[in-house]
Amino acid sequence: QQQVKQSPQSLIVQKGGISIINCAYENTAFDYFPWYQQFPGKGPALLIAIRPDVSEKKEGRFTISFNKSAKQFSLHIMDSQPGDSATYFCAASMENFGNEKLTFGTGTRLTIIP
Amino acid sequence: EPEVTQTPSHQVTQMGQEVILRCVPISNHLYFYWYRQILGQKVEFLVSFYNNEISEKSEIFDDQFSVERPDGSNFTLKIRSTKLEDSAMYFCASRQGTGVSYEQYFGPGTRLTVT
Repeated sequence: QQQVKQSPQSLIVQKGGISIINCAYENTAFDYFPWYQQFPGKGPALLIAIRPDVSEKKEGRFTISFNKSAKQFSLHIMDSQPGDSATYFCAASMENFGNEKLTFGTGTRLTIIP
Repeated sequence: EPEVTQTPSHQVTQMGQEVILRCVPISNHLYFYWYRQILGQKVEFLVSFYNNEISEKSEIFDDQFSVERPDGSNFTLKIRSTKLEDSAMYFCASRQGTGVSYEQYFGPGTRLTVT
């Protein structure tokens, strides 16, 4: 019940296209859903995050769509660029008196081709 | 911009040896975490630490692991007797903890190779 399922495992998108990565969760106690971007040999970098009281959050080319009833959320990267090529992890967390550990999805390796 | 730092970037050790991985969290952050990532796999929670004590630990964090905040800036992860399966990237993360912000910021990681 603590798992976060992520798909696809890998994704190839043409430059300028829209990249879409999906995640699903079971535990309805989760109340914070961040996306992290990771380049090879680096730590995960926080990209964008959403709480379940909103259905969408946009920051620049990155948008999170959140469907509370379906327990799903997705990351959309508009106008994808070669520099967006990285591994993306969704994650989830819940309020727990400061112990808000992150449960990560399995990751999506995104490749943007010219 | 403040960032989490970790040393060393790469540690090679022999099975059965003790290793200490070091982290300097962001200075005004109150909550500290260690995660690990086995090559090609997802990031997994190991332990959280607040107010000089462990808040929560995963089943991975057995008696061979310990954490410490020896001074006001460092946060360490010790593995007493390393096993081959401890080979992974170890990430430190920190969180401010004020308000309702859950944002965790990760360091660049230490690659631990156990031979």
